[in-house]
Amino acid sequence: DAKTTQPPSMDCAEGRAANLPCNHSTISGNEYVYWYRQIHSQGPQYIIHGLKNNETNEMASLIITEDRKSSTLILPHATLRDTAVYYCIVRVFSGYSTLTFGKGTMLLVSP
Amino acid sequence: ETGVTQTPRHLVMGMTNKKSLKCEQHLGHNAMYWYKQSAKKPLELMFVYSLEERVENNSVPSRFSPECPNSSHLFLHLHTLQPEDSALYLCASSQDTGGGTDTQYFGPGTRLTVL
Repeated sequence: DAKTTQPPSMDCAEGRAANLPCNHSTISGNEYVYWYRQIHSQGPQYIIHGLKNNETNEMASLIITEDRKSSTLILPHATLRDTAVYYCIVRVFSGYSTLTFGKGTMLLVSP
Repeated sequence: ETGVTQTPRHLVMGMTNKKSLKCEQHLGHNAMYWYKQSAKKPLELMFVYSLEERVENNSVPSRFSPECPNSSHLFLHLHTLQPEDSALYLCASSQDTGGGTDTQYFGPGTRLTVL
């Protein structure tokens, strides 16, 4: 699976949009981009995933560049409860899904 | 609630004890996973079961013994652990469809402390 690069930490004011970047310059054509988050000492929570097109769900939006070498997770109106470590993962399906977690981005949402 | 439950949520054990962690998924999935998360380290995949068969074992010491009696339940049997085994143990499940877009859903984890 391709390696990802994320900033170690980011800050965001409550109510503002949080834009979390991820670089995956070695991504292959059949690899998906997944985003998870982990609130302190809890299990990771699935947020969103995509292949080529931008995706949106009730939690977030995922913007993937046309060359697919980077992506941005957007939390449109961050709340204090969005404070967490956010993981960007790219993976190719291998018969059963495996996820390789990196260090992620620690997002701190402040009042 | 993700549909994946883990018990106990917290466990303290001595190095000579034998204990088991339990995971149950209510999502109708056919693949289950054990991960370990040590302090300030990324999640490490330990075991994968697909259709109740173990398909991956990432060089995990034999003092950790998984068991998957059916597609809804997964156990991790622990014996003669070391203090460095203290960590958050996470269970996850997914639907192995061969389609490439299955998503893993995680339980809340068991915080294990080995004295």
